[in-house]
Amino acid sequence: SAVISQKPSRDICQRGTSLTIQCQVDSQVTMMFWYRQQPGQSLTLIATANQGSEATYESGFVIDKFPISRPNLTFSTLTVSNMSPEDSSIYLCSSRGSGGNEQFFGPGTRLTVL
Amino acid sequence: GDSVTQMEGPVTLSEEAFLTINCTYTATGYPSLFWYVQYPGEGLQLLLKATKADDKGSNKGFEATYRKETTSFHLEKGSVQVSDSAVYFCALLNTGGFKTIFGAGTRLFVKA
Repeated sequence: SAVISQKPSRDICQRGTSLTIQCQVDSQVTMMFWYRQQPGQSLTLIATANQGSEATYESGFVIDKFPISRPNLTFSTLTVSNMSPEDSSIYLCSSRGSGGNEQFFGPGTRLTVL
Repeated sequence: GDSVTQMEGPVTLSEEAFLTINCTYTATGYPSLFWYVQYPGEGLQLLLKATKADDKGSNKGFEATYRKETTSFHLEKGSVQVSDSAVYFCALLNTGGFKTIFGAGTRLFVKA
């Protein structure tokens, strides 16, 4: 299994600013994922981040709005750029190792944009 | 494409009641199936999984059997507790796939 931590756990931001969320995994993992979850809703995949390659974005999400870094096998960041109130959500980091098929999740970052 | 459909919530039960949360899937090939649970204020965590037809996954008193003939993976527990109150997500990962497909989630409330 993998233990995932995220920073910050929550933040309140002003419209037009950017926030970078950090995700740290306690072991080396092949695949990392970033999700958005509206309160009471299911998960929406933003992008998949593999070390050494560009992140792959899902339909409706673009790199200019959600740039992602994956500098090594245990760490990733997601930036929410030029925020608007519609970006208010919970952002979840997740990983899956090369040997398994289940995913592990961080506790989430609760973002409120005013 | 692959998809997961699970029963809508919320489901409200009294303590010690029997729980069933229905989940059906559409997928080509032979996917692995999962149930994840999300407790209030936390991320998702794996509850149980099954990787081939007729496998039964179990954990913490919860069970689910991979039924290929009915493309189902229903979650059951014989006697729920207040501490089981959470949101439950059914999910699948297809053979050779890299993206897990999640259902919409079912919120469970258990009353004392």
